[in-house]
Amino acid sequence: DIQMTQSPSSLSASVGDRVTITCRASQSISSYLNWYQQKPGKAPKFLIYAASSLQSGVPSRFSGSGSGTDFTLTISSLQPEDFATYYCQQSYSTPPYTFGQGTKLEIK
Amino acid sequence: QITLKESGPTLVKPTQTLTLTCTFSGFSLSTSGVGVGWIRQPPGKALEWLALIYWNDDKRYSPSLKSRLTITKDTSKNQVVLTMTNMDPVDTATYYCAHRGMNYDSSGYWWFDPWGQGTLVTVSS
Repeated sequence: DIQMTQSPSSLSASVGDRVTITCRASQSISSYLNWYQQKPGKAPKFLIYAASSLQSGVPSRFSGSGSGTDFTLTISSLQPEDFATYYCQQSYSTPPYTFGQGTKLEIK
Repeated sequence: QITLKESGPTLVKPTQTLTLTCTFSGFSLSTSGVGVGWIRQPPGKALEWLALIYWNDDKRYSPSLKSRLTITKDTSKNQVVLTMTNMDPVDTATYYCAHRGMNYDSSGYWWFDPWGQGTLVTVSS
C-alpha cells in the first residue's frame, strides 16, 4: 500500500501569512495527488487535483505543486476562512486510495 | 447540481452488520466514468478510504477491510449501499459517501467531489 505522510501535523499562522503544507508518498504516484479542506463538523471540500490543477471556484491563493513522491499545498495569503484541516489523497492506479493524516491550520 | 446524502443507523452493537445507504442526485451511475466512494473518519482522526463502485459495477475495496465490506448500486433508485460486517467499537466514525469526479481525457485523474454531509455511526453495546 502507498502511505501518505503530511507535515507538519499542525501549524499556527496569522491572516496574511504564506503557508506551505507538505505531503510525501511512500512511492511514486506521478501527479495523482488531490487536496481537500475540512472545517470542523463539515464534510471535506475538494481543492486541487493532478497535484496542481485548481478546482473551479477555489480561490487562486491556493496552489499545489510536485510530482513523484513530494507535493506541496501553498496558501499565498491566509484568509480567516482558510483555517481548517487539509488532507492530501493519492488517486494513483490501485487502491487503497489513501489520505494523509491531515494538517490542522490554526490561527496564531 | 450533484448532491449525496448518507442514511443508516446511528448506533450498532458489536458484531452486528452495518448497512449504509447513499442517495444521490444530479448524476447517473450508468454514465461511463462515474463512481461513488465511501470514506470514514473516526472522531478527531483522519479520513480513511473504504470502497468505490463504478458505473460498470466494477468495485474496489480497502485491502485491510475487504473481507468485511460489500458495496452495491441500484441505478434505478440512484443509491449506493455499503455493508460492513462484524462491527467493533473501533469502527465508530462519521461515514461519508462521495461522487467520483474525473477528467474526461486520457489522463486518468480523478477525485472525490462533492461529498455527502456524513453520518455518525457509534458502535457500542
